[in-house]
Order: sequence, then C-alpha cells, then structure tokens
Amino acid sequence: DTGVSQNPRHKITKRGQNVTFRCDPISEHNRLYWYRQTLGQGPEFLTYFQNEAQLEKSRLLSDRFSAERPKGSFSTLEIQRTEQGDSAMYLCASSLREENSYEQYFGPGTRLTVT
Amino acid sequence: DAKTTQPTSMDCAEGRAANLPCNHSTISGNEYVYWYRQIHSQGPQYIIHGLKNNETNEMASLIITEDRKSSTLILPHATLRDTAVYYCIGRSGGSNYKLTFGKGTLLTVNP
Repeated sequence: DTGVSQNPRHKITKRGQNVTFRCDPISEHNRLYWYRQTLGQGPEFLTYFQNEAQLEKSRLLSDRFSAERPKGSFSTLEIQRTEQGDSAMYLCASSLREENSYEQYFGPGTRLTVT
Repeated sequence: DAKTTQPTSMDCAEGRAANLPCNHSTISGNEYVYWYRQIHSQGPQYIIHGLKNNETNEMASLIITEDRKSSTLILPHATLRDTAVYYCIGRSGGSNYKLTFGKGTLLTVNP
C-alpha cells in the first residue's frame, strides 16, 4: 500500500454513460498525476496537477475527459459519453515538489470496462 | 525524454541475480535513468534512478555505462515476488512529472 487510494477499483459501464473516478493522494504531496494503461502497454500520461492547478494535459485527454483537483487535495477524473476504446486501467500517482523527490507513488488503479 | 529499448521478457531462477538491460542511446546529458516495476494488478513502483554514477539502494543496483547509452538493473537475489514488468525510463532532470513508459521487460522468477 503506497498511501494513494483510488475508487472505485472496478467500474463496468455501458457505452454512452458518464463515469467519474476519484484519487486520494498521499496527504502532503502537492503533485498529482493521471495515467491510462491498456492491456500489454505501459501507462500513458494523461494530465498532472500542482496543488489545484492543472499544468499539463496530454493529447490523449480528449474533450470527453475532464480532471479536477479542488483545493489541491483529492482529484476526480470524469469521462463523458464513454466509448469502448476508453476501457483501460486508470492510474493515479502523487509526488512532492522537492528538488530530490523523484518518486511518483501510484495507486492501485481503477479498471474501467465499457460494454 | 530519451527513447529506451528493453527485451520483452526474461527468466531468472529464484535466489539468483536478475540483470535487466536497457538501451538508451539517445539519452541527453541532463536526463536521468529511472526504473519502475509493476507487479500484476498493481500500480507501478519506483525502484531506483541514476544520472552517471552507479547507484544502489535496498531494492536494487543500477549500473550505467560510461557513455550512458545503456544501463543494467540488478536484483541481487531475486525472489518469486520480484516477478513483474520492469520499466526503464529516461527523464529530464528537474521535470518532476510525466513518466514516459514503454512496454518494459516481463521478468519471471522461477522456483
């Protein structure tokens, strides 16, 4: 257990529905990241926050995806009008913004299945 | 970030050293080499990182060639719990975000 929690762990939804995932980072970590991982591939970066500010978004993050981190604490990732191609593991990670902080601590992920 | 190349899979006997290679011939002078691993159904876990010098911690050792074009992660006494996908990542120093994962090496430790 890294101290990063994600909920739910599994989500099955029908195509066209909206889904929202939550990530609770390690409490003192000011940086939070979302990644997506499909079967047989390494995780792909989606977006990252420093405190409440979203500082970078990948081109993978289409208009149907939105992420928030109100008050710089937990974060949510919402996918609107889900498509079968959205089926993947969604991983959250957190880290400290310090000169010698190189580790990103990952949560267990939320596995999304779109039917 | 530098492109890295790793073998798709490797096997190791329990109790023996596991040596995982990584090629990063395009790595630039300020890019660190990071290693993460991902045990099945879990999120990735940081192992070690280095710039020029060899590094060792409680989990592993990292050997970086003098020209920095390749490196080797060494697990000195592999256990069954070390079975995982190991990712080698090149990353610019000071940019504490956006890990770029490849497909990694599936290390299987056999009893």
